[in-house]
Amino acid sequence: QKEVEQNSGPLSVPEGAIASLNCTYSDRGSQSFFWYRQYSGKSPELIMSIYSNGDKEDGRFTAQLNKASQYVSLLIRDSQPSDSATYLCAVMDGGYQKVTFGIGTKLQVIP
Amino acid sequence: EPEVTQTPSHQVTQMGQEVILRCVPISNHLYFYWYRQILGQKVEFLVSFYNNEISEKSEIFDDQFSVERPDGSNFTLKIRSTKLEDSAMYFCASSQTGTGTYGYTFGSGTRLTVV
Repeated sequence: QKEVEQNSGPLSVPEGAIASLNCTYSDRGSQSFFWYRQYSGKSPELIMSIYSNGDKEDGRFTAQLNKASQYVSLLIRDSQPSDSATYLCAVMDGGYQKVTFGIGTKLQVIP
Repeated sequence: EPEVTQTPSHQVTQMGQEVILRCVPISNHLYFYWYRQILGQKVEFLVSFYNNEISEKSEIFDDQFSVERPDGSNFTLKIRSTKLEDSAMYFCASSQTGTGTYGYTFGSGTRLTVV
């Protein structure tokens, strides 16, 4: 059974701080990695994708991938109250059209 | 911005009844998916669909489930005889590629309540 593990939180950070969200995955064959944001009662919204080891930056978001450690993280700089949501880590196997999601980490940004 | 459209947004059905959930994927996308999320739980893969056939399905997707692309735009999920445990949010998604490039675009979901 391929697993994607996240701490469900909540993770509370003050407005303007850096939020750090972490994820580990079990399948070494995984090729594509995603972070989705999900507001309560809404559908997941893609915010970052990463495929190679290292960092990928997009605005206030930085995704980090370490395939040797089977670890993916998301940093959110200058956190805003509107960033308060559940962040889902998702992993796709190489050669498969199936994405496995983690339980998600609930982020609370305190004004 | 192109979007995936799902109808209805909320459906209540009696146990044992059949339901059809409808989706209109983004027009130039070739890969289609159904996921579900039981309240408070993970988003779970049900099925992927490409070139008018199922390409992969999960253990959840048993004989009570079926998918169809009846025309060039719609993609449907049928649950033949609903059970209480089928109550969940059902998400349709589509993507341009099957390799994960660009990720999925999800629809807004159908909340299915089986009573």
